[in-house]
Amino acid sequence: AQSVTQPDIHITVSEGASLELRCNYSYGATPYLFWYVQSPGQGLQLLLKYFSGDTLVQGIKGFEAEFKRSQSSFNLRKPSVHWSDAAEYFCAVSPGNAGNMLTFGGGTRLMVKP
Amino acid sequence: GAVVSQHPSWVICKSGTSVKIECRSLDFQATTMFWYRQFPKQSLMLMATSNEGSKATYEQGVEKDKFLINHASLTLSTLTVTSAHPEDSSFYICSARVVALEQFFGPGTRLTVL
Repeated sequence: AQSVTQPDIHITVSEGASLELRCNYSYGATPYLFWYVQSPGQGLQLLLKYFSGDTLVQGIKGFEAEFKRSQSSFNLRKPSVHWSDAAEYFCAVSPGNAGNMLTFGGGTRLMVKP
Repeated sequence: GAVVSQHPSWVICKSGTSVKIECRSLDFQATTMFWYRQFPKQSLMLMATSNEGSKATYEQGVEKDKFLINHASLTLSTLTVTSAHPEDSSFYICSARVVALEQFFGPGTRLTVL
């Protein structure tokens, strides 16, 4: 069975600082990988996804993520965090079909200091 | 982009009553819809997969008689929480997909059972 681990439950960064949120997955083959953001009381918004090809993917709101097969990781990065980025971030995997059911990581809550 | 709506966005009910939550794909036809449950400060857990015109597939541990799912059309799936109790209070999120494409998430419904 596939699983997703987000090692950091909470992360606090200063506004303007860089950000990296970690995501590790366990799956027999290369899964489809996603990052979602959830603001308080809201649904999920897709930031970016990786299906195949270039391992560095660009997403919305200035986010990017890099797929590293050797490390089974799909870390999310942003060079300069804005206060509006404070939210919950979820990494998710799908077993090879983008429409198959998603398995979510536990989430990382990002707080941004002024 | 694909838009998924949920109604209501927030519902409060008395213990023992039933509550129906609607999930609609507004600008596309969804062959499959998924229902997730999210407890406060936790990740999303898949409850069931709903295919149009057929019975829903429930995840292990989810009571199908308590959480009734109907997917009557390609744009509408409903989740009915029957005889709701305080422990059913949660944030319920649906998603919809077109075959072989990614899932699109609704904004969620917050259920509070008194």
